Amino acid sequence: GAGVSQSPSNKVTEKGKDVELRCDPISGHTALYWYRQSLGQGLEFLIYFQGNSAPDKSGLPSDRFSAERTGGSVSTLTIQRTQQEDSAVYLCASSLEVGELFFGEGSRLTVL
Amino acid sequence: EDQVTQSPEALRLQEGESSSLNCSYTVSGLRGLFWYRQDPGKGPEFLFTLYSAGEEKEKERLKATLTKKESFLHITAPKPEDSATYLCAVANQAGTALIFGKGTTLSVSS
Repeated sequence: GAGVSQSPSNKVTEKGKDVELRCDPISGHTALYWYRQSLGQGLEFLIYFQGNSAPDKSGLPSDRFSAERTGGSVSTLTIQRTQQEDSAVYLCASSLEVGELFFGEGSRLTVL
Repeated sequence: EDQVTQSPEALRLQEGESSSLNCSYTVSGLRGLFWYRQDPGKGPEFLFTLYSAGEEKEKERLKATLTKKESFLHITAPKPEDSATYLCAVANQAGTALIFGKGTTLSVSS
């Protein structure tokens, strides 16, 4: 497809389980971002990848959160030992230019 | 600390009733101000980039303007299909992320 693809679209898990969320960016986009959006809250920056540079992980809320980007393309966000406060929509975006981000439709995570 | 504040939180308009949304920002060195539109259940969609005070951008019924402290998104004669949440963002100093406001949810009724 031409857009950013995220999977799963919905994930329900039990507290304490690990989850993996996947993002397939637009082909050729060198920058990839993960954001989190909670009900009534703005978009919260999590992590940024740019080419082969070291990622900017400054937005990750705890060491339970990690992300990798393999081969400069697909990215996986992993949340270990999920907590109820991790429930949110996780949005991935890719870009070529600063500021013009193309977002996927998000992965809605519900932690019971 | 870089910060973006949007107002109002919600705005209800009648079709054809023009209005403006406000985005106030505090950033150490503006590297661009960005407007996005987000429909329910979707990711945000890019609308405009503004780089310097006095700059204006237009797209259909939307016009974005920028001053040294704030940006406005003017909506002229809105239609129901303009109903969405409008998000404003600035680039952080490192240029590695956009800092988003919480958005203004616009509802236009016919």
